[in-house]
Amino acid sequence: RKEVEQDPGPFNVPEGATVAFNCTYSNSASQSFFWYRQDCRKEPKLLMSVYSSGNEDGRFTAQLNRASQYISLLIRDSKLSDSATYLCVVNENRDDKIIFGKGTRLHILP
Amino acid sequence: GAVVSQHPSRVICKSGTSVKIECRSLDFQATTMFWYRQFPKKSLMLMATSNEGSKATYEQGVEKDKFLINHASLTLSTLTVTSAHPEDSSFYICSARQFLNTEAFFGQGTRLTVV
Repeated sequence: RKEVEQDPGPFNVPEGATVAFNCTYSNSASQSFFWYRQDCRKEPKLLMSVYSSGNEDGRFTAQLNRASQYISLLIRDSKLSDSATYLCVVNENRDDKIIFGKGTRLHILP
Repeated sequence: GAVVSQHPSRVICKSGTSVKIECRSLDFQATTMFWYRQFPKKSLMLMATSNEGSKATYEQGVEKDKFLINHASLTLSTLTVTSAHPEDSSFYICSARQFLNTEAFFGQGTRLTVV
């Protein structure tokens, strides 16, 4: 099983719709989780951290399910500017590695 | 968010030469820095993790003698690609983190082309 797995997509979603991504991780001892977005040929930028109780930032909601070992990202009222690749990131504290998923490509359609 | 500056953003070099890439945390002290490379339309691949003042920990398959990493201070880490070959051409990105379990912030990346 890969350390961090994501559906690569692409997800083609009409503007205004709601879209959700999941990401599974293999190391049950992982402690910290993040979502980053990466635009084409640019560096990743932090979108939000993922807390155990779930957290929301505007149109974005992140949740963590430790029992099933996945995190999710929900985007409401999607905008054209949300088109990007969304990277799931897990910090494996045992040897302090930050592991990236391969990313999910999102295309918001006008 | 915090600012991480990576330099140069783009470099073209001849085969056999060495290239140094700098990664600086501008407004925080980075106890840990990470170096990644990314091929077109592929995911980030962790190359090594470095903690200030100690030797870098390299991922399996990454040649430590070819990719020299120095993390001499809490605000600067360097990656030197030695004896570069065309297959070393890639996008190299650093990230810096202040504390364990906190988010890492990325430099702008360096696009290396070896001709």
